[in-house]
Amino acid sequence: AQTVTQSQPEMSVQEAETVTLSCTYDTSESDYYLFWYKQPPSRQMILVIRQEAYKQQNATENRFSVNFQKAAKSFSLKISDSQLGDAAMYFCALYNQGGKLIFGQGTELSVKP
Amino acid sequence: DTGVSQDPRHKITKRGQNVTFRCDPISEHNRLYWYRQTLGQGPEFLTYFQNEAQLEKSRLLSDRFSAERPKGSFSTLEIQRTEQGDSAMYLCASRRSSTNYGYTFGSGTRLTVV
Repeated sequence: AQTVTQSQPEMSVQEAETVTLSCTYDTSESDYYLFWYKQPPSRQMILVIRQEAYKQQNATENRFSVNFQKAAKSFSLKISDSQLGDAAMYFCALYNQGGKLIFGQGTELSVKP
Repeated sequence: DTGVSQDPRHKITKRGQNVTFRCDPISEHNRLYWYRQTLGQGPEFLTYFQNEAQLEKSRLLSDRFSAERPKGSFSTLEIQRTEQGDSAMYLCASRRSSTNYGYTFGSGTRLTVV
């Protein structure tokens, strides 16, 4: 069975500071993708960043970067220079050749001004 | 590209009633997915279509649930004889099967069964 675990139900960060959200996963597949999605209160899921498992280089998108540790099956998200608009639920998700996304339980991020 | 549309946004129904939700995917996306999200949890896969063919159904999809995608365009998800445990957000997403990412999600339908 494939699983995704986010062990931090809630996180808080001061505006302009850096925060790291944790995610671990389990899969027997060798070819897969990992994603972080953001779900603001309006509820539409938005892709933040993706990582292909075959790539060793960690993905980066502006203020968002990941630390992908394939052997440890760990995939954390770092948000630098946090902004008020970053406040949302963040979901880690695993995609494999089966074609569907498997989500973690989510981490609710609050940003303090 | 107008995104993925879901209708209605909110639905309140009495226990035992039937409800139907609609999802309009991005027009060039041949894959369409339904997920269910309960409060404080991540979305759980229900079923997906490639064009008009329903390719996989989760064990979460009991006999009271049925989904269709006639002509490979919009999709409907029907729940018969609703139960309080069906209260959740129902999310639709679509993508091209030629990509391994690129899901676009709708804003969801919030179902409350009273």
